[in-house]
Amino acid sequence: KNEVEQSPQNLTAQEGEFITINCSYSVGISALHWLQQHPGGGIVSLFMLSSGKKKHGRLIATINIQEKHSSLHITASHPRDSAVYICAVKGSSTSGSRLTFGEGTQLTVNP
Amino acid sequence: ETGVTQTPRHLVMGMTNKKSLKCEQHLGHNAMYWYKQSAKKPLELMFVYSLEERVENNSVPSRFSPECPNSSHLFLHLHTLQPEDSALYLCASSQGGGPGANVLTFGAGSRLTVL
Repeated sequence: KNEVEQSPQNLTAQEGEFITINCSYSVGISALHWLQQHPGGGIVSLFMLSSGKKKHGRLIATINIQEKHSSLHITASHPRDSAVYICAVKGSSTSGSRLTFGEGTQLTVNP
Repeated sequence: ETGVTQTPRHLVMGMTNKKSLKCEQHLGHNAMYWYKQSAKKPLELMFVYSLEERVENNSVPSRFSPECPNSSHLFLHLHTLQPEDSALYLCASSQGGGPGANVLTFGAGSRLTVL
């Protein structure tokens, strides 16, 4: 069992829908990252958070440390949001720069 | 352009070939990373360099040999690879490679196919 679990694995939505991607982890963490990977491979860091909530444009990331759970929300989704969204955590007892990654959620937004 | 440039973007090689992947970052970061991404598997950390010193080597086979000649450049030298080494190899950089949580900037990746 991976230390970082994402759900769903695949998600298809219609343009304009509100989207939620979930991430659960089983270790104590110092930070959690949400990443976006477009076809072709490039990965973009969306958020790094250790508590509460962050918002950037139509993207919102929340984290509940007690429940070891984070969500990534996309409001008013658009076909250009189609990508793989990856959750990664930095363990609180981890030295160095190691991140543990989830398997990713493939999001497809249809026009 | 993310500030981290990887070349080549695609590479096909035989098991007896020797090739290298190159990564260059233009962000003034002092830590660089190699990750491997295989189909339907989470990203796997391979190597970390901080201030040009290798600080992590995640039990990677010796057929992968990293080199970091300066803080802006990172290479991954490949020799006698196996077909199961076919994957997307991603380079990343950050400011600070120590215990603190750092935001990573990734390159677009090098898609490697080993025949």
